[in-house]
Amino acid sequence: EAAVTQSPRSKVAVTGGKVTLSCHQTNNHDYMYWYRQDTGHGLRLIHYSYVADSTEKGDIPDGYKASRPSQENFSLILELASLSQTAVYFCASKGDQDTQYFGPGTRLLVL
Amino acid sequence: QQQVRQSPQSLTVWEGETAILNCSYEDSTFDYFPWYWQFPRESPALLIAIRPVSNKKEDGRFTIFFNKREKKLSLHITDSQPGDSATYFCAAHTGGLSGKLTFGEGTQVTVIS
Repeated sequence: EAAVTQSPRSKVAVTGGKVTLSCHQTNNHDYMYWYRQDTGHGLRLIHYSYVADSTEKGDIPDGYKASRPSQENFSLILELASLSQTAVYFCASKGDQDTQYFGPGTRLLVL
Repeated sequence: QQQVRQSPQSLTVWEGETAILNCSYEDSTFDYFPWYWQFPRESPALLIAIRPVSNKKEDGRFTIFFNKREKKLSLHITDSQPGDSATYFCAAHTGGLSGKLTFGEGTQVTVIS
């Protein structure tokens, strides 16, 4: 079954530290996305990629970097984690159809 | 600015009633409108979707009504069940290279029996 997996599933980080969130998909999809969801709110797009070795800024890219080393893998990097980056992060993939399939999410707490 | 708006923020209905969730958008170039539902501590999952060429899409108890002229759509859940209790997100798709989705803030639906 096609799937999007994320690791870690939860993480506690310290302010100013570096955090890397990983996403892996077996959907054979070209598109991958990183969203954040704050409690009680919708999802906001951080970065996306439509081909390996290339990433694009989404709607709220400040404080985040992304890396797409292969079609299957897409990482989100917080170089200097801040309290305001506490949220749930979802990765998604999309093929030729317009439907996006979401991973299980990573709960990030920055202290 | 918020390009996709949803109302109400929360909605409580009795089992068997029809729940109506509203969504509006600003960008007339959006070309696909999926609704996702999300259960607590889970990820969003596609429920039903519509393209602007249609004004209605039905899937079992879930129906989308779409008004392109007014840039509005609504999701109707008929014969609501307790298992329908979830947060529902309206989203709008941008065509072209990004293929990105813009989400509304969601409507939390509670079905009481």
